[in-house]
Amino acid sequence: AQSVTQLGSHVSVSEGALVLLRCNYSSSVPPYLFWYVQYPNQGLQLLLKYTTGATLVKGINGFEAEFKKSETSFHLTKPSAHMSDAAEYFCAVSLASSARQLTFGSGTQLTVLP
Amino acid sequence: EPEVTQTPSHQVTQMGQEVILRCVPISNHLYFYWYRQILGQKVEFLVSFYNNEISEKSEIFDDQFSVERPDGSNFTLKIRSTKLEDSAMYFCASSEARGGANEKLFFGSGTQLSVL
Repeated sequence: AQSVTQLGSHVSVSEGALVLLRCNYSSSVPPYLFWYVQYPNQGLQLLLKYTTGATLVKGINGFEAEFKKSETSFHLTKPSAHMSDAAEYFCAVSLASSARQLTFGSGTQLTVLP
Repeated sequence: EPEVTQTPSHQVTQMGQEVILRCVPISNHLYFYWYRQILGQKVEFLVSFYNNEISEKSEIFDDQFSVERPDGSNFTLKIRSTKLEDSAMYFCASSEARGGANEKLFFGSGTQLSVL
């Protein structure tokens, strides 16, 4: 079975500052890893995903994440926060053989301060 | 960009009543899913559906739940006799690919179900 832990249910950053949202996973087999974002009153939108290959993955809106197998981590970063980045962010994991069945973390609410 | 549509956005029902949550997946997608999020808890997988049958389901998806694709466009989740603990945000999703690295789930904006 796989699981995901997101450290920090709420993160606040100033506009222009670095965004770092933490995600650690556990999986008995090589995982697929995802970051989703949810803006108010909208569905979950895929930001980026890691399946195989390059461990640094670039996504939409300037976000990127690095898969670190030794640390079982997949932290999400963005060099400079924008007000429009305020949303809830979910890390998710799936087994490579069943990428359709996602296991989500509990989410991190990102607030961007002016 | 095409999107998954869910109706209604909010549903209030009495305990013991049947409720049907509706979803219109993206038109060329073949796989359909329901997830739910109880307030303050994680988003949880309920069920996946392909070729008019359930392909995977979680422990949550018991006999009180059923899914259907009644007319080739809608995808519904029925809860036969709602319980208080069924109160949650229910997300529908769809995907095109047959799994693996190319899988990408598109989620709807959810239906908030409140059971009184």
